[in-house]
Amino acid sequence: DQQVKQNSPSLSVQEGRISILNCDYTNSMFDYFLWYKKYPAEGPTFLISISSIKDKNEDGRFTVFLNKSAKHLSLHIVPSQPGDSAVYFCAARASGTYKYIFGTGTRLKVLA
Amino acid sequence: GAVVSQHPSWVICKSGTSVKIECRSLDFQATTMFWYRQFPKQSLMLMATSNEGSKATYEQGVEKDKFLINHASLTLSTLTVTSAHPEDSSFYICSARDHRGQGTYNEQFFGPGTRLTVL
Repeated sequence: DQQVKQNSPSLSVQEGRISILNCDYTNSMFDYFLWYKKYPAEGPTFLISISSIKDKNEDGRFTVFLNKSAKHLSLHIVPSQPGDSAVYFCAARASGTYKYIFGTGTRLKVLA
Repeated sequence: GAVVSQHPSWVICKSGTSVKIECRSLDFQATTMFWYRQFPKQSLMLMATSNEGSKATYEQGVEKDKFLINHASLTLSTLTVTSAHPEDSSFYICSARDHRGQGTYNEQFFGPGTRLTVL
């Protein structure tokens, strides 16, 4: 049972435009959400996170939006840069635990 | 920032042998470390939670006798794949929880991963 889903396995965006990556979850006990960027044969690197008490968090070019009623979050990257090309994973953490549940990932390709 | 290393970065072994993978937190103490595995084009799947000085907690479906975890110090956890078989070939990634990160968001820091290939 995949509790965290990223339904788009891949996304291509032109340089300078906005990239929107989506993530859905099923467990209402999740209270913390994170986005990680990952290159092949490397560990994930943290990008941005959001607590369930917020609906938006912004850090530079990266903004994460959370819609609790829809159990949906999204990562916006603007403007997109070729260096953003990687696989992006969303992850969720249930209240009272330290375990992260990862989504299936979306491969972003930013075209120059 | 917090740095986590893994050794080796890649390993090739024969079927039936055992392989040990080390995970170290270099500049912080980690009371808890996590072991994940990732198959090609799939998600990171949590295998077990490693707690310093106590037994690891394994996720459902993960054989604890197959994947031995030892967390003997606040900076080192090891994963031993015993009697490895080709189906154990995967990318193994550890993460470490900074014990100072109480209630802060970026609590886990990931290592670079270890590629295991079993022939």
